[in-house]
Amino acid sequence: NAGVTQTPKFQVLKTGQSMTLQCAQDMNHNSMYWYRQDPGMGLRLIYYSASEGTTDKGEVPNGYNVSRLNKREFSLRLESAAPSQTSVYFCASSTTSGTPNTGELFFGEGSRLTVL
Amino acid sequence: GEDVEQSLFLSVREGDSSVINCTYTDSSSTYLYWYKQEPGAGLQLLTYIFSNMDMKQDQRLTVLLNKKDKHLSLRIADTQTGDSAIYFCAESRWGTNAGKSTFGDGTTLTVKP
Repeated sequence: NAGVTQTPKFQVLKTGQSMTLQCAQDMNHNSMYWYRQDPGMGLRLIYYSASEGTTDKGEVPNGYNVSRLNKREFSLRLESAAPSQTSVYFCASSTTSGTPNTGELFFGEGSRLTVL
Repeated sequence: GEDVEQSLFLSVREGDSSVINCTYTDSSSTYLYWYKQEPGAGLQLLTYIFSNMDMKQDQRLTVLLNKKDKHLSLRIADTQTGDSAIYFCAESRWGTNAGKSTFGDGTTLTVKP
């Protein structure tokens, strides 16, 4: 079972460059999320997609854009990377069906991004 | 807004019990979670508790919830070196997107042989 797959796992960018982080899940989940993890700051929600065709801002959306390409895929784009975006990025998914619906998040392994 | 706080570090000896504490501010929290993150990996759900419960036990894990004080704890009995990891407390609210959780900063548990 692949679960949630993120690519790339590592990336180094120069300030001002753009890139897209890809995420795909094979669990038929409705909802998908992008979090960033910084030392001593836990996980902070960047954007989420409650269902196919919808996206909403999370806690720290500035400097990012997202696309929910289909039910399986949710990408995160940095249009003009800044050193403050150096972080570990996690994609996650969850289902909104089932009883009880616990809201459990299933995470990918993370993408480590360094912006010089 | 919602806030979740937990201490950053805990060190125990193998075989001892570990207790990781967490406080949260959102009185509308419906589910409270403990996630485990091993080095270089994503987070995995360890256990969860519904807000109308006081306690949940699952093998070596015991979760205690004091809703009045908004305090959550995770006890790991007979802690092993394989339990060394970062443990995140998280909460979510029923009625909105249940997966839109708020996380604490994580507690790094070190288990010494």
